[in-house]
Amino acid sequence: SQTIHQWPATLVQPVGSPLSLECTVEGTSNPNLYWYRQAAGRGLQLLFYSVGIGQISSEVPQNLSASRPQDRQFILSSKKLLLSDSGFYLCAWTTGTNYGYTFGSGTRLTVV
Amino acid sequence: GEDVEQSLFLSVREGDSSVINCTYTDSSSTYLYWYKQEPGAGLQLLTYIFSNMDMKQDQRLTVLLNKKDKHLSLRIADTQTGDSAIYFCAVPSGGSYIPTFGRGTSLIVHP
Repeated sequence: SQTIHQWPATLVQPVGSPLSLECTVEGTSNPNLYWYRQAAGRGLQLLFYSVGIGQISSEVPQNLSASRPQDRQFILSSKKLLLSDSGFYLCAWTTGTNYGYTFGSGTRLTVV
Repeated sequence: GEDVEQSLFLSVREGDSSVINCTYTDSSSTYLYWYKQEPGAGLQLLTYIFSNMDMKQDQRLTVLLNKKDKHLSLRIADTQTGDSAIYFCAVPSGGSYIPTFGRGTSLIVHP
């Protein structure tokens, strides 16, 4: 069966520190992968998506970057966190058809 | 781009029916989705409807689609306290399978 793993579950980081969030998918190949941010428990903002290894599309210009070093691995990074980067980060995958996303359990990031 | 609107809150009594409404702007979407988010968790795909359908029923859930008015609704029959969550409507823009999410409706169920 297909599963998606996202870690860590919670993270508290000081302003100016780097960030690395990891997402991996099992049980499928060549998934489309997504990073979303949910601020203040509301609304989902698409940050990045990837349709293949090394292919990254950015939806919102900001302090974050994404990479896909392997088919089923998606990483969200920042060199220097800002207070405004705080939020709930969600990874998701889909086969590219119209059957909806499968989301990870999310990472709660607090920048202090 | 697509614009998806939902009311932010809905409060119902346990056992009553809940109706969560959603309006959207792009009428060319093939599938339209409802997701459920419980506190502190990721989103879970609840149900979806194909654009050539007017209604889809799945146990206690009924999805109604009015393409003319660009209106999507989710009805939960016999609402239980376990149904308390945030419900998101998600509609892909034409030509894309990437959905735009509404801001979510927080459903509060009172015993």
